[in-house]
Amino acid sequence: DIVMTQTPDSLAVSLGERATINCKSSQSLLYTSNNKNSLAWYQQKPGQPPKLLIYWASTRESGVPDRFSGSGSGTDFTLTISSLQAEDVAVYYCQQYYSALYTFGQGTKLEIK
Amino acid sequence: EVQLLESGGGLVQPGGSLRLSCAASGFTFSLYAMSWVRQAPGKGLEWVSAITGGGGSTYYADSVKGRFTISRDNSKNTVYLQMNSLRAEDTAVYYCAKAPGLVGGRPAYFDSWGQGILGTVSS
Repeated sequence: DIVMTQTPDSLAVSLGERATINCKSSQSLLYTSNNKNSLAWYQQKPGQPPKLLIYWASTRESGVPDRFSGSGSGTDFTLTISSLQAEDVAVYYCQQYYSALYTFGQGTKLEIK
Repeated sequence: EVQLLESGGGLVQPGGSLRLSCAASGFTFSLYAMSWVRQAPGKGLEWVSAITGGGGSTYYADSVKGRFTISRDNSKNTVYLQMNSLRAEDTAVYYCAKAPGLVGGRPAYFDSWGQGILGTVSS
């Protein structure tokens, strides 16, 4: 199975500051058929289901604020929130879909400092 | 608007069975792969199973292979998860999720999620 490891496990950032979450996969997620990386990011607020933020590592889902961005390639990926808002408090997960044995990172809890 | 509504959860003893259902609306159900993802209390997300739009291909996590069966009835816009030989570690909120497309013939990421249903395995 492809193992997804997120860092840090938790993060406290001041309002208006940048938040960065990293995700590392145990093997490359580059899908050669379209030269895109098979990685998605989700946001989960307490008591709610996950919400898709980013797919193909850097494509923002419709309706997601542009302060959220994804980057990276191969095995190393990053989710960046450019200016943290109070409503961004949540747990964030990365997920690989390169393999049919889909796997998620363990999650990163984002809080306000 | 896409809506996914799970049902069928509850309390069952170890070794027992549960059948979860997910009723979908707001999209052409038969065109999209569907999946089940679970979350144990206070834990992270774990993918469980997926099925293509026509039902011809199914996928399972190693942790549930041979015990769980995913199926769908496109005439009823519903996907199911039959869970047998349940263990305490299967206790979780089970989410139904829609995949917006296929990658290499199989589901990719998940763009819509239900609210989830709790399945508890305990004596």
